[in-house]
Amino acid sequence: QSVLTQPPSASGTPGQRVTISCSGSSSNIGSNTVNWYQQLPGTAPKLLIYSNNQRPSWVPDRFSGSRSGTSASLAISGLQSEDEADYYCAAWDDSLDGYVFGTGTKVTVL
Amino acid sequence: QVQLQESGPGLVKPSQTLSLTCTVSGGSISSGDYYWSWIRQPPGKGLEWIGYIYYSGSTYYNPSLKSRLTISLDTSKNQFSLKLSSVTAADTAVYYCARDDFYERFLDYWGQGTLVTVSS
Repeated sequence: QSVLTQPPSASGTPGQRVTISCSGSSSNIGSNTVNWYQQLPGTAPKLLIYSNNQRPSWVPDRFSGSRSGTSASLAISGLQSEDEADYYCAAWDDSLDGYVFGTGTKVTVL
Repeated sequence: QVQLQESGPGLVKPSQTLSLTCTVSGGSISSGDYYWSWIRQPPGKGLEWIGYIYYSGSTYYNPSLKSRLTISLDTSKNQFSLKLSSVTAADTAVYYCARDDFYERFLDYWGQGTLVTVSS
């Protein structure tokens, strides 16, 4: 039951900047931190951004996250071919009393 | 380096119980710093959180699955398990186990996933 809405697709040419939005509500993004996951084709998701804007040590600084009100966004700058993947936002939802994922965005490098 | 590995039958008949185990290496599931979670992904679809367990045995389940779900842990084997009863074709999915940071609530290590198909 995806309650976080993302655009189904996004694209860009190598070197461009791509931004993915994640829209939620006061019970999830509005009151809890947002995480982002990258899922390369045929593989398990991998943590990309945590606590709205923090990067794990293995994630390049081309990836950045932000949160404002009940929305969040992920930016990929200097887009590379290996960034072709599905991206999911996620947050705890106080009303549903559970962890919710976004609908997912497929990023294509043209 | 923490590693998680799912195991269990790849085919389950409708109305039966789906059972999976996640074996953790490189870290202890008895650590109070983490929850241990299950997530699933139907073929071609998005991610769905199933639930998690803490080292104390306390559990938290997705309300939509709660009536059919049991998550347990075996600290002696450093494993945690999932049982989902009365399965239907809608439960066909890749099932992932993952480590969930207790303080900041992110899933930082994931298993590779295992496909479970519900079919007669």
